[in-house]
Amino acid sequence: DAKTTQPPSMDCAEGRAANLPCNHSTISGNEYVYWYRQIHSQGPQYIIHGLKNNETNEMASLIITEDRKSSTLILPHATLRDTAVYYCIVAYQKVTFGTGTKLQVIP
Amino acid sequence: DTAVSQTPKYLVTQMGNDKSIKCEQNLGHDTMYWYKQDSKKFLKIMFSYNNKELIINETVPNRFSPKSPDKAHLNLHINSLELGDSAVYFCASSQSDWDTEYEQYFGPGTRLTVT
Repeated sequence: DAKTTQPPSMDCAEGRAANLPCNHSTISGNEYVYWYRQIHSQGPQYIIHGLKNNETNEMASLIITEDRKSSTLILPHATLRDTAVYYCIVAYQKVTFGTGTKLQVIP
Repeated sequence: DTAVSQTPKYLVTQMGNDKSIKCEQNLGHDTMYWYKQDSKKFLKIMFSYNNKELIINETVPNRFSPKSPDKAHLNLHINSLELGDSAVYFCASSQSDWDTEYEQYFGPGTRLTVT
């Protein structure tokens, strides 16, 4: 069973930052926080992951709270192509996908 | 240049038939997976192989049999297909020593329709 809670849907204006929250209050010490997204019916795409520290790459930033019970994925300048279902996953070894957040980027 | 490829992309077949889906990765990864995404879009892991050895076998009917001829390939064979097997099947791979962090790279999916 998925160990995360995400809002089912969110809207974001094009060009603005998209902040996607995720609660994972039962996360274990060795579990990482991963974010993936699935655009339409394509295969899921890895975005970013982290353990304790905040992380940033060319796609997004990941902010993890100090107690690790929640995190936020930030897409700094959302585009229409970022419209997708975003999955927050906590995992060690086996990845279990939840229902995700459907992000709609609006022109 | 495709990192993880699957064939076929679409598969339409009748109940009771046997079919296979092939998956290949050219990333040099050690671990490969099969996922099933049903009509409600819920994505669930089925199998995982690490260096050709079965690591994860979720509660999947034994009509499903993964086969890994080498580290770069993980094929999925399905016997006696049923209507409920209709779904999109995704193959994925990752570079993993199984006790370290990793990200997975997914293929484009195979849409299986059983009539």
